[in-house]
Amino acid sequence: EDKVVQSPLSLVVHEGDTVTLNCSYEVTNFRSLLWYKQEKKAPTFLFMLTSSGIEKKSGRLSSILDKKELFSILNITATQTGDSAVYLCAVESQGAQKLVFGQGTRLTINP
Amino acid sequence: GAVVSQHPSRVICKSGTSVKIECRSLDFQATTMFWYRQFPKQSLMLMATSNEGSKATYEQGVEKDKFLINHASLTLSTLTVTSAHPEDSSFYICSARSTILGKPHYEQYFGPGTRLTVT
Repeated sequence: EDKVVQSPLSLVVHEGDTVTLNCSYEVTNFRSLLWYKQEKKAPTFLFMLTSSGIEKKSGRLSSILDKKELFSILNITATQTGDSAVYLCAVESQGAQKLVFGQGTRLTINP
Repeated sequence: GAVVSQHPSRVICKSGTSVKIECRSLDFQATTMFWYRQFPKQSLMLMATSNEGSKATYEQGVEKDKFLINHASLTLSTLTVTSAHPEDSSFYICSARSTILGKPHYEQYFGPGTRLTVT
């Protein structure tokens, strides 16, 4: 059974700090790994990763995938209070249309 | 582009009644739609995958007779919670996957969710 584990489950930091969120997975016939940000409503898409070692970047957020060690990290630099959210990691396998989500990391940025 | 809407955003119903939730893709054709349930402080759990014009595929442990899914068109899927009970109270989220220029688009676009409270 496909499985996604995120760590930490909860993280509280001060504005300006840099954070690293972790996602490890076990999936049959890996196709992609996705990161989402969820505030009060539905998740919003951040990144989709399919290849190892290629960093994806969007402003202060970046992510990278290691298909050998079966994990991904999401980095947020110079955090702001607006980054407070639950960050979800999901994986998709070849042939299966569905996403399997991790438990999420609840990130709180204090001013 | 790629907007998905859900209606209603919030619903309160009495135990034993049925509730229908709509999921619409507003600016693209969604060949596949997904229904998720999310309990407080927990992650999204996939309930079923719905392909236009065919029966939904339910995940293990999800009662298909209780959670009726209809995907009658390329822009609309509905989830009906039948004979709702308080334990069905949850946040229900749909997502849609499009086909662009005949190629499958891997990204799922999520709706804003529907918060169901059964009293």
